[in-house]
Amino acid sequence: GESVGLHLPTLSVQEGDNSIINCAYSNSASDYFIWYKQESGKGPQFIIDIRSNMDKRQGQRVTVLLNKTVKHLSLQIAATQPGDSAVYFCAEPTGNQFYFGTGTSLTVIP
Amino acid sequence: EAQVTQNPRYLITVTGKKLTVTCSQNMNHEYMSWYRQDPGLGLRQIYYSMNVEVTDKGDVPEGYKVSRKEKRNFPLILESPSPNQTSLYFCASSWRQDNQETQYFGPGTRLLVL
Repeated sequence: GESVGLHLPTLSVQEGDNSIINCAYSNSASDYFIWYKQESGKGPQFIIDIRSNMDKRQGQRVTVLLNKTVKHLSLQIAATQPGDSAVYFCAEPTGNQFYFGTGTSLTVIP
Repeated sequence: EAQVTQNPRYLITVTGKKLTVTCSQNMNHEYMSWYRQDPGLGLRQIYYSMNVEVTDKGDVPEGYKVSRKEKRNFPLILESPSPNQTSLYFCASSWRQDNQETQYFGPGTRLLVL
């Protein structure tokens, strides 16, 4: 089946620093990816998405980079804040199914 | 307020006792889905539904049933729960527009099967 995964299960950053969360995928034909944020006790929440015809997409304080050559995408969070502490997943909709990575738990140190 | 609701939020049951977790969305979404979330395994799709009366298996459908009689509701049924179905369950609904898809997740149902 399809496979998306995350490189690191945990990441700690100092408040105000930038965070980079990575994700790898296996299917070179994948053409759409989504990043989700899951805060403790809540369901995942959409952050940003990117299509394979793009290398980069920016949102508010977040940027997603897609490297199709090495099948890797990253989520960058600028000026990380305590409210950014959560688990972050990359997800890949393929046909009618969704595949999620295992998640990176981001802790922001005040 | 646009939302996906699930009930119950917490449930403790015993092996073999049939249970149903309800899911409802008020966004008129065609696509709905159930996931389970387990430590180290992330979110895994159980079943999904493209529209009323159209359902299909996800990656881990064994031991589960679903139905989609109305657009807004997508209940998850465990006919004979077993301890390995102890997990955190999420329902989600989504729309597809311009080849993009945004899923909205419910708050989750934590199930313990003894």
